Amino acid sequence: EIVLTQSPGTLSLSPGERATLSCRASQSVSSSYLAWYQQKPGQAPRLLIYGASSRATGIPDRFSGSGSGTDFTLTISRLEPEDFAVYYCQQYGSSQLTFGGGTKVEIK
Amino acid sequence: QVQLVQSGAEVKKPGASVKVSCKASGYTFTGYYMHWVRQAPGQGLEWMGWINPNSGGTNYAQKFQGWVTMTRDTSISTAYMELSRLRSDDTAVYYCARSLSVVLHHDYWGQGTLVTVSS
Repeated sequence: EIVLTQSPGTLSLSPGERATLSCRASQSVSSSYLAWYQQKPGQAPRLLIYGASSRATGIPDRFSGSGSGTDFTLTISRLEPEDFAVYYCQQYGSSQLTFGGGTKVEIK
Repeated sequence: QVQLVQSGAEVKKPGASVKVSCKASGYTFTGYYMHWVRQAPGQGLEWMGWINPNSGGTNYAQKFQGWVTMTRDTSISTAYMELSRLRSDDTAVYYCARSLSVVLHHDYWGQGTLVTVSS
């Protein structure tokens, strides 16, 4: 199975700052079948990005995804108060889907 | 609008089984795969497998093969996930989530069902 490693584990930033989250795969993710989800406490995950770089419906353009192969990045250009949450990457290109361990973006 | 509504919280004893339901509305149930994902308290997301509601075909994560069963009832647009031989570390929130195909993301999720395993 493809192992996804997210870094850092926790990111401490202030509103208005830029957040850069990394997701590294143990082997190449076919056709960039990689998604990013946001999860807030007590809520189900919400789809942000799919296909490595396509924003889901209703997602603000301050969220952007990039990367291919084994290295992927989620960037939040300017953090809003509602963006402080946990973010997960997921690959769905193999028959065994996997999630990364998550990055928590917290208020500094 | 698309909705996935899951059954309520469960408390089970070790060794028992649990069956969680996920009722879909607002779209053609047989047109989307249904996945199950779980999250232990304070932990990350773990994919368990999917069912194709059209054919009934399934694909389980290797970890869960032999002790998870995913089924569906197309007449009531409902998917089910049954986990047997429960242990305390199966205590988690279980989510259903749909995808248009096996190689697509999960665009809608259920609200989650807390399963607590305790003696």
